[in-house]
Amino acid sequence: RKEVEQDPGPFNVPEGATVAFNCTYSNSASQSFFWYRQDCRKEPKLLMSVYSSGNEDGRFTAQLNRASQYISLLIRDSKLSDSATYLCVVNPFSGGYNKLIFGAGTRLAVHP
Amino acid sequence: DAGVTQSPTHLIKTRGQQVTLRCSPKSGHDTVSWYQQALGQGPQFIFQYYEEEERQRGNFPDRFSGHQFPNYSSELNVNALLLGDSALYLCASEQGGSDQYFGPGTRLLVL
Repeated sequence: RKEVEQDPGPFNVPEGATVAFNCTYSNSASQSFFWYRQDCRKEPKLLMSVYSSGNEDGRFTAQLNRASQYISLLIRDSKLSDSATYLCVVNPFSGGYNKLIFGAGTRLAVHP
Repeated sequence: DAGVTQSPTHLIKTRGQQVTLRCSPKSGHDTVSWYQQALGQGPQFIFQYYEEEERQRGNFPDRFSGHQFPNYSSELNVNALLLGDSALYLCASEQGGSDQYFGPGTRLLVL
């Protein structure tokens, strides 16, 4: 079983749509959680951290359920510029050091 | 403020050769991690360097080795290249357990 599993995608949605991505992780001792965005042939960039209380950044809302080991990302009012691959990332912080564990990513294509 | 930089941007090698990739961390960062991203996959952790020593390592063979210099820059070396080593190699830097910032990567093609 992969340490971090994501919806395979791709998601093809029209502008203005709401889209949700899901992710599960296997290491219950994981300490921190993130969503990264990766554009084609570019490096991953931090989109947002994810907290148990849920957090929102504009059109983006992330949620963490530690009991279910489940992470979600909701994008409202999709824009063409949201087209990218979204990577679910877990940091077990084992030994007190950062070590990011990435899912395979979910591709989003927003069309006019 | 310069971000993480990597060189070269692209590289083509043949099987059996050796390659060295370079990374300069973001200003003020002292820890460098290397990741391998195969096509269609998420990045996979290779190893992490701090104070010029390998601090932790992922599930990669000994053909993958690294180095960190006193100025915190780092190199990734891969010996005896295999076709399966073709990937985007990403360097990420951090300071004291902060968020990791990624460089643009080096795209390696092994023929």
